[in-house]
Amino acid sequence: EPEVTQTPSHQVTQMGQEVILRCVPISNHLYFYWYRQILGQKVEFLVSFYNNEISEKSEIFDDQFSVERPDGSNFTLKIRSTKLEDSAMYFCASSAPETQYFGPGTRLLVL
Amino acid sequence: QKEVEQNSGPLSVPEGAIASLNCTYSDRGSQSFFWYRQYSGKSPELIMFIYSNGDKEDGRFTAQLNKASQYVSLLIRDSQPSDSATYLCAVLNNNAGNMLTFGGGTRLMVKP
Repeated sequence: EPEVTQTPSHQVTQMGQEVILRCVPISNHLYFYWYRQILGQKVEFLVSFYNNEISEKSEIFDDQFSVERPDGSNFTLKIRSTKLEDSAMYFCASSAPETQYFGPGTRLLVL
Repeated sequence: QKEVEQNSGPLSVPEGAIASLNCTYSDRGSQSFFWYRQYSGKSPELIMFIYSNGDKEDGRFTAQLNKASQYVSLLIRDSQPSDSATYLCAVLNNNAGNMLTFGGGTRLMVKP
């Protein structure tokens, strides 16, 4: 059964460093998403991406965040200068078009 | 601000019983509703979706939707200890890039 994959599973970084989280969506899906979940809190929408451009972004998705589909399979989330409050689980999801399937997540810890 | 509300629980049921999980949402224009299961430290796993008023059954799971009352529920029949998890209700916003708004989840504990 096709699934969304994410790498790395865990990432530890220093405050102010750049991180890139990677995702491989399900192959025939056209819509891609990033969500995050701070420990003990709700899953929060960050951004959706369709046809090589951002469809929607939340207030969380400020200028420090960017997304890219560098090739036909990968979908990345970059955080340019990490803050302590960026520590969270980051989930990638994909859909075709509405039912979203989530990857296993990347646990990001900013020290 | 579109809101999705769930009782955080924990909801404790004995093995074999029916577990009933509820969710309310604020956006009357919402059309698509999803239930996900999340084990501790894991990602949300899709259980089922519902678009139309009424009931939708899939195995031991039944989703119920009442758009007039802005209410979605999930029934789990013959609950098993492996069903112990947090159940997330999510509402789709088609007009905002298909973003999902999640409730805080209800923690279900099924006791053997």
